[in-house]
Amino acid sequence: SQKIEQNSEALNIQEGKTATLTCNYTNYSPAYLQWYRQDPGRGPVFLLLIRENEKEKRKERLKVTFDTTLKQSLFHITASQPADSATYLCALGYSTLTFGKGTMLLVSP
Amino acid sequence: EPEVTQTPSHQVTQMGQEVILRCVPISNHLYFYWYRQILGQKVEFLVSFYNNEISEKSEIFDDQFSVERPDGSNFTLKIRSTKLEDSAMYFCASRWEGERTREYFGPGTRLLVL
Repeated sequence: SQKIEQNSEALNIQEGKTATLTCNYTNYSPAYLQWYRQDPGRGPVFLLLIRENEKEKRKERLKVTFDTTLKQSLFHITASQPADSATYLCALGYSTLTFGKGTMLLVSP
Repeated sequence: EPEVTQTPSHQVTQMGQEVILRCVPISNHLYFYWYRQILGQKVEFLVSFYNNEISEKSEIFDDQFSVERPDGSNFTLKIRSTKLEDSAMYFCASRWEGERTREYFGPGTRLLVL
């Protein structure tokens, strides 16, 4: 069955450092992959979408890579800030989204 | 930025009662979705709706669930006879038609079944 794993439940880093979150998947050949941010008690908020024929995508301090051979995506936040503290969700799919459980990022001042 | 809205924000109901969760998708979007998230668990797809009919549904979306777009602006999820395990956050989402694009999620309705 299809499986999406995000590397850890929680990640603590110091302000200013780069946060790197991992999303691995099995039994899946997605056409695209998306990353969302979710704050407690709120709905997911879209951050970035990357397609299977794209290796890397950037948006401001965010960078996503997509390696369909390794079946892995890496999500980077550079110059992290306490306001970046949230749960980050990886999602795969064609017509509907299948979400990973998320990684909770805590950026300490 | 346009927003998906959902009402109510919280709903408490007794087991066996019917609930209707309401959503107003973004006005020019044509694909509509319901997802749920049980506390501490991942966001799970329930159903997608396009052109006034269900296009896909998950195993969770059994005969107790139904969706409707009654008036061209609202999109509703009905749970006919709620169970304790239906307690969750329910998110509505919508997206524009065309090449696969982002989904816009609403703020959610927290449903508690007692």
